[in-house]
Amino acid sequence: QLQLQESGPGLVKPSDTLSLTCSVSGASISINNYYWGWVRQPPGRTLEWIGSIYYSGSTDYSPSLQSRVTTFVDTSKNRFSLKLSSVTAADTAVYYCVRSRGYSYGYFDSWGQGTLVTVSS
Amino acid sequence: DIQVTQSPSSLSASVGDRVTITCRTGQSISTYLNWYQQKPGKAPKVLIYGAANLESGVPSRFSGSRSGTDFTLTISSLQAEDFATYYCQQTYRTPGTFGQGTRLENK
Repeated sequence: QLQLQESGPGLVKPSDTLSLTCSVSGASISINNYYWGWVRQPPGRTLEWIGSIYYSGSTDYSPSLQSRVTTFVDTSKNRFSLKLSSVTAADTAVYYCVRSRGYSYGYFDSWGQGTLVTVSS
Repeated sequence: DIQVTQSPSSLSASVGDRVTITCRTGQSISTYLNWYQQKPGKAPKVLIYGAANLESGVPSRFSGSRSGTDFTLTISSLQAEDFATYYCQQTYRTPGTFGQGTRLENK
């Protein structure tokens, strides 16, 4: 059974870089027709797709965040990562890693449990 | 971004009721719309993809339909475990925007 698990600091200072990793178990990350990505949800608000990566390394990012987002994939460790630079309080959210079927922002058929990241000094 | 307007924002219903939630998009998106269910403190779970396709393992009381730019999620007979927040998501064009959510509460 596919499982995704986020890990990383729960507190980040303003202007710093947020870094998260998603470990995948139960399936290979090197599978055709699936992207691996990130979705966030500020407290009490709706969901926002951040960006996704294919096992080959091809990336796609939300236009509103692409200047600050970088994603990486490590197929040898079956995991992928997110970096979001120059964070502000507006980046405080629960961050989910997801599997996307078909294309980068296609429907998300598997989700991690989520990790709350707070941006505060 | 493609505008997605979800309604109502909240809804009170009872077990056994038929419930409908609607999303309207600002332009035609064919059938590129998905529905998710989220319970408090949990990750969302996909229910419907491609406007009307039931995700594997999802009960058949959930269904989706489309009429032009209006999309509907229907729960035919509400069960206790269905009280949650529901989101639609368009995937016709990046960045795959979500609706604002509908909170389904027990009357």
